Amino acid sequence: DFQLTQSPSTLSASVGDRVTITCRASQSISTWLAWHQQKPGKAPKLLIYDASSLASGVPSRFSGSGSGTEFTLTISSLQPEDFATYYCQQYNSFGPGTKLEIK
Amino acid sequence: EVQLVESGGGLVQPGGSLRLSCAASGFTFTSYWMHWVRQVPGKGLVWVSRINSDGSSTSYADSVKGRFTASRDNTKNTLYLQMNSLRAEDTAVYYCVSRYCGGGSCYYHFDFWGQGTLVTVSS
Repeated sequence: DFQLTQSPSTLSASVGDRVTITCRASQSISTWLAWHQQKPGKAPKLLIYDASSLASGVPSRFSGSGSGTEFTLTISSLQPEDFATYYCQQYNSFGPGTKLEIK
Repeated sequence: EVQLVESGGGLVQPGGSLRLSCAASGFTFTSYWMHWVRQVPGKGLVWVSRINSDGSSTSYADSVKGRFTASRDNTKNTLYLQMNSLRAEDTAVYYCVSRYCGGGSCYYHFDFWGQGTLVTVSS
């Protein structure tokens, strides 16, 4: 069965930090990977698609990269509103999520 | 502005039924396959079902197959999820989610999410 895994599961960081989250696919998926952001009590929101394309309205401090089986989401300078849970997704599969917490 | 607005959630006893609705606006509804994704509070996202653009094809997670039925009314731009034989483990927030599938190509990613509706199955 196809699976997506994420690391770390929890990440503690400070405002202004650069952070990276990794998503691994159990088989090659080219660049067909998306990232979604979910803030507490809110619905998820599409951040990045095609591994590196920013969705409409997403700040440029967010970036994505990767292909095949390994992908990364990078936030270049954390802002207070970025503390949330991030999920990678491909078709009907989601990664388990990475919770980004304030240090 | 794209909007997906779910309704119909609530408290239901085990074995009971509930029908969720999702009203769509701000985009061409018939160019999108529509999905339901659920989330137990504090846990991750789990895909539940999908329906194609004209409603002729559906697919379900094994955990709900035979109990849940997705449908859509393209004249009302509305998606439905009929949930029967509900179990405690169906307790979750249910999100209506869109995925573009038009002009001969389908995206793999979900693009718009509703705000969610909470379903609680408990006696």
